[in-house]
Amino acid sequence: DTAVSQTPKYLVTQMGNDKSIKCEQNLGHDTMYWYKQDSKKFLKIMFSYNNKELIINETVPNRFSPKSPDKAHLNLHINSLELGDSAVYFCASSHREGSTADTQYFGPGTRLTVL
Amino acid sequence: KQEVTQIPAALSVPEGENLVLNCSFTDSAIYNLQWFRQDPGKGLTSLLLIQSSQREQTSGRLNASLDKSSGRSTLYIAASQPGDSATYLCAVRRPGGFKTIFGAGTRLFVKA
Repeated sequence: DTAVSQTPKYLVTQMGNDKSIKCEQNLGHDTMYWYKQDSKKFLKIMFSYNNKELIINETVPNRFSPKSPDKAHLNLHINSLELGDSAVYFCASSHREGSTADTQYFGPGTRLTVL
Repeated sequence: KQEVTQIPAALSVPEGENLVLNCSFTDSAIYNLQWFRQDPGKGLTSLLLIQSSQREQTSGRLNASLDKSSGRSTLYIAASQPGDSATYLCAVRRPGGFKTIFGAGTRLFVKA
């Protein structure tokens, strides 16, 4: 019954490693997002995909590469991890971009710790 | 550039009290405004969404209002309960760019 799921929930890794976070939604939504919540709990959008196409790419280092194999999945791959990448990463989805009634549904988050 | 501010940053109230959380935004051109709840170590749960053409939305003990002209929204919680303790986030969806801008949140603690 989970609407938006993320794996793993926790990720601890060394600087310089490459890691991926997976996201899946079973809501039939067209649009998916990645957000980063830093240590001060401030939530900022990173990427948005609509029907598997990238529509928002905020000023995120190109070490971060999202991949959407289909509408239900949006994965986040991070190369050459740095200490500053430590944060909680949230995946979200919504039915249709551009609608004023569009509600976003969030996953439980992935806490990434880079040592 | 849209900026979203939430006041207060933290709030502690006794159980049963009615309370108001405030959200202000700098650009009145918005698609909608959404209030979320975040429990420690958890994801975000949508509470209420107010479309740009609406003035308020209600769900149970929660009432959210929107005044675009003044760039303000309030979340009113009636008869607060300890289970309401969480961080409440205000999020503004921008038109055109399809981005959502979040406030920093208000941490609410309701004492039994």
